[in-house]
Amino acid sequence: GENVEQHPSTLSVQEGDSAVIKCTYSDSASNYFPWYKQELGKRPQLIIDIRSNVGEKKDQRIAVTLNKTAKHFSLHITETQPEDSAVYFCAASRQGGNEKLTFGTGTRLTIIP
Amino acid sequence: NAGVTQTPKFRVLKTGQSMTLLCAQDMNHEYMYWYRQDPGMGLRLIHYSVGEGTTAKGEVPDGYNVSRLKKQNFLLGLESAAPSQTSVYFCASSSPGLADTQYFGPGTRLTVL
Repeated sequence: GENVEQHPSTLSVQEGDSAVIKCTYSDSASNYFPWYKQELGKRPQLIIDIRSNVGEKKDQRIAVTLNKTAKHFSLHITETQPEDSAVYFCAASRQGGNEKLTFGTGTRLTIIP
Repeated sequence: NAGVTQTPKFRVLKTGQSMTLLCAQDMNHEYMYWYRQDPGMGLRLIHYSVGEGTTAKGEVPDGYNVSRLKKQNFLLGLESAAPSQTSVYFCASSSPGLADTQYFGPGTRLTVL
């Protein structure tokens, strides 16, 4: 089955700086890669996703890049703000089947004011 | 739309007791999932369903059973609770195809003493 590894497990950055979280996956057939943000005590919420037919996707201050050859994808947050503090999860799945997501173990991002 | 709802929000059980967690969605989604979330381990899939009347095992199915008698509901049962099942349980739903984001419920915090 799919295996997703996520690094780092914790990350602290100064407000205004950029943050990068990286994930690798094992199943070359995976073609859908979402990122979820989970605030303390809340449910995971999708913030951005990318499919295997594109290499990069941006939405305001967040972007995701995908390298299919190397089987890794990354989340980039620019101009970080205190409300970006949360746990971020990457995931991978093979769409067109049962759409099961395999999650990484999460990155706790802390923005230092 | 309420989206995905879960009941109860909190529950404390004694070892050996049984209980059922209810997940309901009003988005007419075909697919539904049950995850457990433990510190440092991300979200792990317990069971899932690709349609009314169907269920399948996920990554960590032992000790749990599920049923999907109605399209909008997905029940997770613990027949004989164990302390190892202390966790936060999340339900999610999605629709197959291109717009197949998984939407999560608010979670159920279960403690087994």
